[in-house]
Amino acid sequence: TQLLEQSPQFLSIQEGENLTVYCNSSSVFSSLQWYRQEPGEGPVLLVTVVTGGEVKKLKRLTFQFGDARKDSSLHITAAQPGDTGLYLCAGSPGSARQLTFGSGTQLTVLP
Amino acid sequence: KAGVTQTPRYLIKTRGQQVTLSCSPISGHRSVSWYQQTPGQGLQFLFEYFSETQRNKGNFPGRFSGRQFSNSRSEMNVSTLELGDSALYLCASSFTARGSGANVLTFGAGSRLTVL
Repeated sequence: TQLLEQSPQFLSIQEGENLTVYCNSSSVFSSLQWYRQEPGEGPVLLVTVVTGGEVKKLKRLTFQFGDARKDSSLHITAAQPGDTGLYLCAGSPGSARQLTFGSGTQLTVLP
Repeated sequence: KAGVTQTPRYLIKTRGQQVTLSCSPISGHRSVSWYQQTPGQGLQFLFEYFSETQRNKGNFPGRFSGRQFSNSRSEMNVSTLELGDSALYLCASSFTARGSGANVLTFGAGSRLTVL
């Protein structure tokens, strides 16, 4: 069982559609991060959310941290082919220092 | 600032061999973490080094080892390779974000290991 469960695992949509990716856990996290990974590259940090209930926007991407700090979501508005990639959530449960990653959501945006 | 550099990018080995992967972190970053990425298990934490000392270790067998040098460069070694060791090995240098205290990772492009 993964500490961080992401859903859906795969998502294929048309350009211009909206989508939401979820990251859930039974553990409390002091912060959660979202990364995007493109083929042949390492993951790249998109955002860090720290406060329960926090909402952060990065252009067409909206990130939310759950009130209880156990879950997070990533919403993309009007998806574009350039958004294609593997989206990963990550966090350090409790006092642990190392980051634990979710299983990832593979997003494909078709032109 | 140069990013995280990993070498080699691709390599092929056979079962029973050993392999050494190298990672040069971002200049000034003293912490280096290693992760194994496979389609089935996703990103799994291997270990973290800080100032030449292993600070954390994931749940991997003793065949997986690492070290860090005084210039913060790090190497990881896998001995007696198994087919299941085929994976993308990612290195990340990190810093602790002020305020949030979050551990922020900057990844290299990875070393893709294929074991035949």
